[in-house]
Amino acid sequence: ELKVEQNPLFLSMQEGKNYTIYCNYSTTSDRLYWYRQDPGKSLESLFVLLSNGAVKQEGRLMASLDTKARLSTLHITAAVHDLSATYFCAEGGGADGLTFGKGTHLIIQP
Amino acid sequence: DTEVTQTPKHLVMGMTNKKSLKCEQHMGHRAMYWYKQKAKKPPELMFVYSYEKLSINESVPSRFSPECPNSSLLNLHLHALQPEDSALYLCASSQDLDREKLFFGSGTQLSVL
Repeated sequence: ELKVEQNPLFLSMQEGKNYTIYCNYSTTSDRLYWYRQDPGKSLESLFVLLSNGAVKQEGRLMASLDTKARLSTLHITAAVHDLSATYFCAEGGGADGLTFGKGTHLIIQP
Repeated sequence: DTEVTQTPKHLVMGMTNKKSLKCEQHMGHRAMYWYKQKAKKPPELMFVYSYEKLSINESVPSRFSPECPNSSLLNLHLHALQPEDSALYLCASSQDLDREKLFFGSGTQLSVL
């Protein structure tokens, strides 16, 4: 059974601080996806990581993938309130669709 | 056009009603998906269509009936739903099954009374 595990599931942090969300998955896939979801809204694609060692950055967010450790990380640098959302990692795809982690509910406080 | 459009945005229905959710994309994508998302939970895959043919049905109850009339449209027909079916229903598309970046619609928030 494919499993995608995120931690932490809930994170409250102050503006200006750094933090990392972790995503472990159980298959040998070399693709990992990060999505953002605001309350009551749809999912927005943040990063698509396609190979071992892939690193992508967009603004204050940086994602990386280690396929040997089956681990992806989403690092937040100098957090700002606008980054408050739920972040999902997802794995799989193709005919099986994506399997999502439980999500990390992130609150950034002034 | 990089949007996946879903209608309606909100739907309230009784357990004896028949309704349909609609999804449309004009990105030329050949794979389309229905996901169900309960509050504070991750999305769960329901159906996958590839080139207008049903590829995956994740053991979804028959009261949910998908339809893909053409490569741009995806419907989800609802009949005799239960209150526990209340959820956000998300449509998504991707270029094909081998390119898995999914573009999601804004969803239909469904309440079954």
